[in-house]
Amino acid sequence: EPEVTQTPSHQVTQMGQEVILRCVPISNHLYFYWYRQILGQKVEFLVSFYNNEISEKSEIFDDQFSVERPDGSNFTLKIRSTKLEDSAMYFCASSKHPGTLYNEQFFGPGTRLTVL
Amino acid sequence: GQNIDQPTEMTATEGAIVQINCTYQTSGFNGLFWYQQHAGEAPTFLSYNVLDGLEEKGRFSSFLSRSKGYSYLLLKELQMKDSASYLCAVSPIKAAGNKLTFGGGTRVLVKP
Repeated sequence: EPEVTQTPSHQVTQMGQEVILRCVPISNHLYFYWYRQILGQKVEFLVSFYNNEISEKSEIFDDQFSVERPDGSNFTLKIRSTKLEDSAMYFCASSKHPGTLYNEQFFGPGTRLTVL
Repeated sequence: GQNIDQPTEMTATEGAIVQINCTYQTSGFNGLFWYQQHAGEAPTFLSYNVLDGLEEKGRFSSFLSRSKGYSYLLLKELQMKDSASYLCAVSPIKAAGNKLTFGGGTRVLVKP
């Protein structure tokens, strides 16, 4: 069964450093998402991406964040200058049909980001 | 704005039934999803409701009342492996891209 994959599974970085989190969505999916989950808290939407552009972003997704689809398979989240409060599990998700009623999102296993 | 409420924690016995309630107040509605999340893992899809009524899927059923802003997830014949967090999520109406807004999750502990 096709699945969303993410690398690395765990990333440790120093405050102020740039990190890039990588995702490979399911191949025939058209919508891509990033969510984050701070330890013990709820899953929060960051950004959605369709047709090579951001379709929606949350207040969390400020100028320090960017997303890119550099080739036909990868989808990346970059945090330019990490802060302590960026420590969280970051989930990539993808879905097949844009704008339809049934839009099940498939989540990857997550990247645990620890900012020291 | 979006507000989704569900109980923090529930405990039940193996073989029993547990009902997890979710109430929501959102600026739009394009469906309600239930996800299961084991500790340290990704959410996995359980069910979807967009019309009022009950959707049954094996041991899991989900109910929706749009007029009341209310849903529940029913887990029957509980097994130890059902110990996990159950996340209620709402998809608002949007022409392009359906972000999910999640509740805080209900941690279910199944005891022998």
